[in-house]
Amino acid sequence: EVHLVESGGGLVKPGESLRLSCAASGFTFNNYDMNWVRQAPGKGLEWVSSITSKSDYKMYTDAVKGRFTVSRDNAENSLYLQMDSLRAEDTAIYYCARILLGNGFGSGYYDYWGQGTLVTVSS
Amino acid sequence: EIVLTQSPATLSLSPGERATLSCRASQSLRGSLAWYQQKPGQAPRLLVYDASNRATAIPARFSGGGSGTDFTLTISSLEPEDFAVYYCQQRSDWPLTFGGGTKVEIK
Repeated sequence: EVHLVESGGGLVKPGESLRLSCAASGFTFNNYDMNWVRQAPGKGLEWVSSITSKSDYKMYTDAVKGRFTVSRDNAENSLYLQMDSLRAEDTAIYYCARILLGNGFGSGYYDYWGQGTLVTVSS
Repeated sequence: EIVLTQSPATLSLSPGERATLSCRASQSLRGSLAWYQQKPGQAPRLLVYDASNRATAIPARFSGGGSGTDFTLTISSLEPEDFAVYYCQQRSDWPLTFGGGTKVEIK
């Protein structure tokens, strides 16, 4: 059974950093592109970042470009999101999600999601 | 950026009724659209991808249709567990975008 478990969220002040992790199990992790998607409290879904299975292609939404870095360790079946210079508007639940029908550039649909980790940025 | 506009924002229906949700794109998606269901406190669940393909283990009462810029998700007969928020998502171009959601509530 596919499992995605996020960790690393918490309460931080504006300008601080956090590193989110997503532990994957139940599938061959290095065969799949992965994404991060976030959801602000009471709001809709927002794509954050994509990474291909071999880490050769990474994409970011404009709102986080230059501040967030996505990476993965296929040997450890783990996905990461390094979040620097955090802002109040980054407050959200962050989900890792597996890509179904990847196109080789990290884009696709999300067939499995973790339960999310809450990041709160507040002074 | 491709903007996805979902309508209506809220749909008030009774169990057993038919629900029709709409998602309109600001440019052609060529069928590259998915639908998700999200219940309170839960992660989204994939229902339909490539506009009309049901995802694994999704009941047949859920069906997707449309192409180009206009897409629909139909729930043929609402079950109690179907009352939730539904989102559409496109993968046609970067950035990947979601619609604002339609809440299906019990009338």
